[in-house]
Amino acid sequence: EIVLTQSPGTLSLSPGERATLSCRASQSVSSTFLVWYQQKPGQAPRLLISGASGRATGIPDRFSGSGSGTDFTLTISSLEPEDFAVYYCQHYATSSIIFGQGTRLEIK
Amino acid sequence: QVQLQESGPGLVKPSDTLSLTCTVSGYSITSNSWWGWIRQPPGKGLEWIGYIDYSGSTYYKSSLKSRVTMSVDTSKHQFSLKLSSVTAVDTAVYYCARKEASIPHFDYWGQGTLVTVSS
Repeated sequence: EIVLTQSPGTLSLSPGERATLSCRASQSVSSTFLVWYQQKPGQAPRLLISGASGRATGIPDRFSGSGSGTDFTLTISSLEPEDFAVYYCQHYATSSIIFGQGTRLEIK
Repeated sequence: QVQLQESGPGLVKPSDTLSLTCTVSGYSITSNSWWGWIRQPPGKGLEWIGYIDYSGSTYYKSSLKSRVTMSVDTSKHQFSLKLSSVTAVDTAVYYCARKEASIPHFDYWGQGTLVTVSS
């Protein structure tokens, strides 16, 4: 079974800074099946990126995804106050969906 | 607009069966979608439990497979989760969500419901 490892566990940055979040798979996966979500306290996750780099509807262009094989990255180019949240990567296979353990993005 | 709403007991005793229902509105439950359950223990990450399609085909997480049963009631626009022999580690917020058959992500989620396992 594929394992997704996200790093760092917690990222402390200030508004306006650039955030780089990593998701590493234990074996090579298709970027088509790599997804990113954002979750705020008390809310369900919200889809940000699908297919490793495709922004979901309504997601600002400061969010971007990249990567292939085993290494994937979510980048937030200039942090807004509303971006401080927990971010999860997810891999899809027909018989299994795996989530990473999450990266908490907190205000420095 | 697709809406999903979880319902069920918020407190379950150890060794009992946890039962939750998700009601779907704004979209046909018989459409080409998979209807899933995801849980999140307090302060922890997301865990996929499994999903079901309208015909009753299911996929379950391997480590939970022996305790999980999912079903769908198309006449009530609902799908359900049963998790047997629960312990405290099953305490979590349980979300229902939709995944279209052709896409790798869940695009619509319920608000989540906290289920606590305690005597």
